[in-house]
Amino acid sequence: SQTIHQWPATLVQPVGSPLSLECTVEGTSNPNLYWYRQAAGRGLQLLFYSVGIGQISSEVPQNLSASRPQDRQFILSSKKLLLSDSGFYLCAWSWGQGMPDTQYFGPGTRLTVL
Amino acid sequence: QKEVEQNSGPLSVPEGAIASLNCTYSDRGSQSFFWYRQYSGKSPELIMFIYSNGDKEDGRFTAQLNKASQYVSLLIRDSQPSDSATYLCAGSLRYSSASKIIFGSGTRLSIRP
Repeated sequence: SQTIHQWPATLVQPVGSPLSLECTVEGTSNPNLYWYRQAAGRGLQLLFYSVGIGQISSEVPQNLSASRPQDRQFILSSKKLLLSDSGFYLCAWSWGQGMPDTQYFGPGTRLTVL
Repeated sequence: QKEVEQNSGPLSVPEGAIASLNCTYSDRGSQSFFWYRQYSGKSPELIMFIYSNGDKEDGRFTAQLNKASQYVSLLIRDSQPSDSATYLCAGSLRYSSASKIIFGSGTRLSIRP
């Protein structure tokens, strides 16, 4: 079976500090990977998705970036955090084929920027 | 702007009754629809998906899709206190190698004993 991991689970960072969140998937190969952000009381906003190693598509302009150095590893980064970057960050994976292409979520990282 | 609209609630339903959650979408190109349940502080978990017009049943849950009206719903029969959560409706668009899912902002459901 497939398992998706995210760490850290909780993070408190000062404004202007860097960020690195990691997501890994087990039990599948060549998955599609996604980063979402959920602000308090809001829906999920797609930030980035990747269909393969080194292939990143950005959905919204922001001070965040994503990388996929390995097939089942997806990293979300920032050089300088803003207050508005606070939120619940969710990584998801899908098979990338078939209908429908269901996405499955990791446990999430709750980020507070002070 | 592709949108998925949900009533934010809260929707309060007595235990044992049927909870009805509704969702509309704006993009007729949306192909599949999903219902996720999200407990407070937790990540969304998939309840079910639907991509054909009509009803799809899975245990106490029934999803309904009407593409002509651009309407999706979720019925929860015999509601239990453990069903109290936020329910996210989502529609997906298939691109060449990936599907983008557009999420609604969710409906808070409260099951009262």
